Amino acid sequence: EIVLTQSPDFQSVTPGEKVTITCRASQSIGTSLHWYQQKANQSPKLLIRFASQSISGVPSRFSGGGSGTDFTLTINGLEAEDAAAYFCHQSTRFPFTFGPGTKVEIK
Amino acid sequence: DVQLVESGGGLVKPGGSLRLSCAASGFTFSHYNLNWVRRAPGKGLEWVSSISTDGRYIYYADSVKGRFTMSRDNADNSLYLQMNSLRSDDTAVYYCARDFSYGADAFDIWGQGTLVTVSS
Repeated sequence: EIVLTQSPDFQSVTPGEKVTITCRASQSIGTSLHWYQQKANQSPKLLIRFASQSISGVPSRFSGGGSGTDFTLTINGLEAEDAAAYFCHQSTRFPFTFGPGTKVEIK
Repeated sequence: DVQLVESGGGLVKPGGSLRLSCAASGFTFSHYNLNWVRRAPGKGLEWVSSISTDGRYIYYADSVKGRFTMSRDNADNSLYLQMNSLRSDDTAVYYCARDFSYGADAFDIWGQGTLVTVSS
């Protein structure tokens, strides 16, 4: 099983600041890494697919990068509505796995 | 609108069974691989199961293998998850989710979720 770890677990951020979340895979997964946002009492929402591909309708302040084992999700200019948990997910092989999540709080 | 709507959740005793359904609309159901993902209280997302477009290939997380059965009815645009021998650690919100495109991909459309509570 491919294990995904995320850092940090929690981040408290002032609006306008840049946020960087890291996801590390226990083995190389190419670019089969996706990012989701889940707000309280809502379903997950796809933000980035295959490490860096943007999704229609997702604000341009969200971007992704990386390949192999190390990946990042960047939020450039955090807004209050970005308070949520963020999860990475690998689809390179079964069992699919998710990272444990990073909670972003607005100061 | 492209939509997935889950139903069938509820309270069940340990050892009991439950069948979740997911009704799809707004897209060609038979063209997409589908998935079940759950989130237990205070925990993160956990992939549960995936099924191919024609239902021939089905994969399960080790935590549910042998207890859960995923299936689909392409004629009825419906996805199912039969859950047997339920345990307290199966308590979670269960989501159905669609693959972005054919092949192992991100999950682009999610249902609103249905809560399963396993408790005596």
